[in-house]
Amino acid sequence: DAGVIQSPRHEVTEMGQEVTLRCKPISGHDYLFWYRQTMMRGLELLIYFNNNVPIDDSGMPEDRFSAKMPNASFSTLKIQPSEPRDSAVYFCASSFLGTSPYNEQFFGPGTRLTVL
Amino acid sequence: DAKTTQPPSMDCAEGRAANLPCNHSTISGNEYVYWYRQIHSQGPQYIIHGLKNNETNEMASLIITEDRKSSTLILPHATLRDTAVYYCIVRSYNNNDMRFGAGTRLTVKP
Repeated sequence: DAGVIQSPRHEVTEMGQEVTLRCKPISGHDYLFWYRQTMMRGLELLIYFNNNVPIDDSGMPEDRFSAKMPNASFSTLKIQPSEPRDSAVYFCASSFLGTSPYNEQFFGPGTRLTVL
Repeated sequence: DAKTTQPPSMDCAEGRAANLPCNHSTISGNEYVYWYRQIHSQGPQYIIHGLKNNETNEMASLIITEDRKSSTLILPHATLRDTAVYYCIVRSYNNNDMRFGAGTRLTVKP
């Protein structure tokens, strides 16, 4: 398996522009997570899905952020409009609860977003 | 979920065992201890987890005290590639809300 795939790996944009980050989870996984990492706040959970349904979006910072999961193999995190304070590394992760004793989350390589 | 306390940084000589402590004094009975690490510029990686018994896998060993208020992650023979930030997290098995703290920055030196 290729693991969790994220694109783009790097994104530089100007304040006010719309940004879309993409994630392909590991095939067969039923949970998908979006995290944000900054030096100031560390690694924060933004939102997670179970079977394509958003379960907890309490970590989404504000209405400028939205996330969708139209099917089991694809998710997007959109920021509109973007602001310099959104600059961070955004990670996507997936997991399979099932009968696994581990329930570990597998993380993608991240997208480094810079908003000028 | 219970909070964890870890030292901000540690050093270890290459080839020696690295022992990373974690305090979780408010852990509840159904919460597991999970360890992840994050190598620079990469996503976090699962290492090991346990409930109350000591655990070992190909990457590390996890020692949990009898009262479960603290644990130690052991990397038996640290290599330079083990240099990373190590996160100790406590959560119940089916709770996907993982709270990453600041972790311990382990530096393995030659």
